Amino acid sequence: AQTVTQSQPEMSVQEAETVTLSCTYDTSESDYYLFWYKQPPSRQMILVIRQEAYKQQNATENRFSVNFQKAAKSFSLKISDSQLGDAAMYFCAYRSPLSGNTGKLIFGQGTTLQVKP
Amino acid sequence: KAGVTQTPRYLIKTRGQQVTLSCSPISGHRSVSWYQQTPGQGLQFLFEYFSETQRNKGNFPGRFSGRQFSNSRSEMNVSTLELGDSALYLCASSLEGRLETQYFGPGTRLLVL
Repeated sequence: AQTVTQSQPEMSVQEAETVTLSCTYDTSESDYYLFWYKQPPSRQMILVIRQEAYKQQNATENRFSVNFQKAAKSFSLKISDSQLGDAAMYFCAYRSPLSGNTGKLIFGQGTTLQVKP
Repeated sequence: KAGVTQTPRYLIKTRGQQVTLSCSPISGHRSVSWYQQTPGQGLQFLFEYFSETQRNKGNFPGRFSGRQFSNSRSEMNVSTLELGDSALYLCASSLEGRLETQYFGPGTRLLVL
């Protein structure tokens, strides 16, 4: 079974600085999808970025980028120029392409990011 | 396009009661997944519905059930509520439920007393 691990329960960053959140996963599959979701205090889960395992190029979305290391099974999220609105809990998630896993995301435990003004 | 909506947003029940939560997916989305979020267990997959059929199920007892209607709206039901069922229940929709991104609703916070 696949597992996702976020080893940093809490992180803090100064406004305008850069922070990297870590995520590792375990799988025997060669093709899969990885996501970072953000959950602010409102509890609404918001997609930050998505990475397809077959793509070597790291995904980027404005100030958010990932470092995807397939061999190491590592998927970290870098937030550049941090803003106060980035403060939230961040979840790393895994999605299997197998037909028996439809509609299912496997989540890590989350990392709470604090942004200091 | 309107996002995923969930009703009610907050609910208080007592042990032994049952509860029904509703989720309306994004227009055109046919797959609806449900998740339970608790401080202790994190986010756990409950089940997924597609075209009115349960297509995938997580490791939850039979007290947790759901259904999907022809307009893709979904309901989940929890019978004989236990204190441990207190959680945020999140619903997510996607086009076909396979490899596309899931979009989440705001959740229903259930408190069982």
